[in-house]
Amino acid sequence: QVQLVQSGAEVKKPGASVKVSCKASGYTFSDYYIQWVRQAPGQGLEWMGWINPDSGATKYAQMFQGRVTVTRDTATSTVYMELGTLRLDDTAVYYCVRGRGVSYSIGDYWGHGALVTVSS
Amino acid sequence: NFMLTQPHSVSESPGKTVTISCTRSSGDVADNSVQWYQQRPGSAPTIFIYEDNQRPSGVPDRFSGSIDISSNSASLTISGLKKEDEAVYYCQSHDKSVWVFGGGTKLTVL
Repeated sequence: QVQLVQSGAEVKKPGASVKVSCKASGYTFSDYYIQWVRQAPGQGLEWMGWINPDSGATKYAQMFQGRVTVTRDTATSTVYMELGTLRLDDTAVYYCVRGRGVSYSIGDYWGHGALVTVSS
Repeated sequence: NFMLTQPHSVSESPGKTVTISCTRSSGDVADNSVQWYQQRPGSAPTIFIYEDNQRPSGVPDRFSGSIDISSNSASLTISGLKKEDEAVYYCQSHDKSVWVFGGGTKLTVL
């Protein structure tokens, strides 16, 4: 069965970076994009960007440009999302999501989420 | 990019029918597929409707999706409401490979 297993919770200080992993299994890794979505406490869902695991191509939401980097390791079917220059308002649960369909726009499987807390 | 606007909350009694709207601010709602996700407290979202009106296997047929070109909106309709349907529902669409989410609607089953 399809699974996206994410790394555990992290606590970081403002200005630091965090790297969240997402290990995919149960399907052909290169066939589906991985999207990243975050959710601040009590707030809605916010799209961050995607990676094409086949080519490594990426696209990021404008608000994260220059601060986020998504990479992949095809040998281990793992995708990484690194967010730099952390601010207090980056405290959120970060989800990886498998994208399928036209423009890989359907988020059919979600990881369990990784809580990142930014605190001084 | 466009925005998707949802009501903040809706409530209805068990057994009744409720409809949650999702209005696209610019561009045509028919141009890009709309998905709906259910999120219960403490859990990741799960997909309930994709490509405007398609149900993944396992989603009850009490859930249906549609789009209305005249109002440039999508809708999620839940009939025969059950207490277990209480959750937050998000619509999502896309344009030029950018995802856009609505703000979410909290459904309360009284």
